[in-house]
Amino acid sequence: KAGVTQTPRYLIKTRGQQVTLSCSPISGHRSVSWYQQTPGQGLQFLFEYFSETQRNKGNFPGRFSGRQFSNSRSEMNVSTLELGDSALYLCASRPTGTRSGGELFFGEGSRLTVL
Amino acid sequence: GQSLEQPSEVTAVEGAVVQINCTYQTSGFYGLSWYQQHDGGAPTFLSYNALDGLEETGRFSSFLSRSDSYGYLLLQELQMKDSASYFCAVNSGNTPLVFGKGTRLSVIA
Repeated sequence: KAGVTQTPRYLIKTRGQQVTLSCSPISGHRSVSWYQQTPGQGLQFLFEYFSETQRNKGNFPGRFSGRQFSNSRSEMNVSTLELGDSALYLCASRPTGTRSGGELFFGEGSRLTVL
Repeated sequence: GQSLEQPSEVTAVEGAVVQINCTYQTSGFYGLSWYQQHDGGAPTFLSYNALDGLEETGRFSSFLSRSDSYGYLLLQELQMKDSASYFCAVNSGNTPLVFGKGTRLSVIA
């Protein structure tokens, strides 16, 4: 069974540009979450989607947005990039919308560098 | 709000035992998870404690005390490959998993 797939793995952008990151969850998983990881800050929650609906949103500015498609694939977009947006963006999936248990299945992330 | 505290770095000798502590403050609590992340890799799930006590999985064990809002991850017979970052995370039910900032474990010979 394929794991969580994120594309692209690495990308470099300049300030003011926008970026779209993609995540394909494990087959059959309907819940997708996005996290931002920066050195020393751990994993900061961005969004959670279930069945194409955003269920939760983290404390990030409106420049960060996301969506989920009917096949559970998800994308996140960051507009008007700032230097501080440089980070590893992790996508994680779980089988259902219930939060029993604490297991998320993570992809290897998309490492964004903003110059 | 929710917050988790764990040490930023721990160093231990190969073959030894190391304990990584995690204290949390949360308005609701379902359980505490532990994840391992090697440099450049994805976080991977290690364990989940919903009830008080010790859960053992091979060389790794995890403990939870709900009354103390405290848990720990215990790694025994340390191996060089255990060098990684370890994150605790709180499951509060209706909110997404909240992660600590991580503990970087260095295993030395």
